Amino acid sequence: NAGVTQTPKFRILKIGQSMTLQCTQDMNHNYMYWYRQDPGMGLKLIYYSVGAGITDKGEVPNGYNVSRSTTEDFPLRLELAAPSQTSVYFCASSYSIGTEGSPLHFGNGTRLTVT
Amino acid sequence: GEDVEQSLFLSVREGDSSVINCTYTDSSSTYLYWYKQEPGAGLQLLTYIFSNMDMKQDQRLTVLLNKKDKHLSLRIADTQTGDSAIYFCAENSNYQLIWGAGTKLIIKP
Repeated sequence: NAGVTQTPKFRILKIGQSMTLQCTQDMNHNYMYWYRQDPGMGLKLIYYSVGAGITDKGEVPNGYNVSRSTTEDFPLRLELAAPSQTSVYFCASSYSIGTEGSPLHFGNGTRLTVT
Repeated sequence: GEDVEQSLFLSVREGDSSVINCTYTDSSSTYLYWYKQEPGAGLQLLTYIFSNMDMKQDQRLTVLLNKKDKHLSLRIADTQTGDSAIYFCAENSNYQLIWGAGTKLIIKP
């Protein structure tokens, strides 16, 4: 039982490049989330999904896209990387919506630098 | 607006108690959470408290909730070097979690 697995761990992008951050979970959780973590700030929700085929915007969705074709996978796509997207990205999953005592399970993060 | 506030750093001596404080804004929050983040890792749920409780104790951890002042605290008794981490407070608001910026706990020998 690996939990939530994110790849890659680190990545450096040039401005304007594209990339996909991968996230997979093996706990059969319906709910999945993408957050970004910036120094001195709380986690900001980028996108979330309540099940396969269903995604919705979080607080800071601009510049990102997601898809959820399977229960296990929830990739995050950056189409035209900008320096403002330099951050640490966390994928998480939960059994229920996470606000009813059901904990979020986090991956170990992807550290992205855009130069 | 929604905002969860925490101090960014707390320094304590090994063996002392650590008290990490948090203020939140949504009085309708039903659950409040403490997550722990160790270096290079994701966040892990440490404990949570339901809003109709004042206190919750779990081994070395004590959570206190003051709903009137919208104040949440996490006390770690007998702080050890393994407790060195960033501690995040979070509240649920409108079916989303709102996070504090995290308090980095520094342990002095």
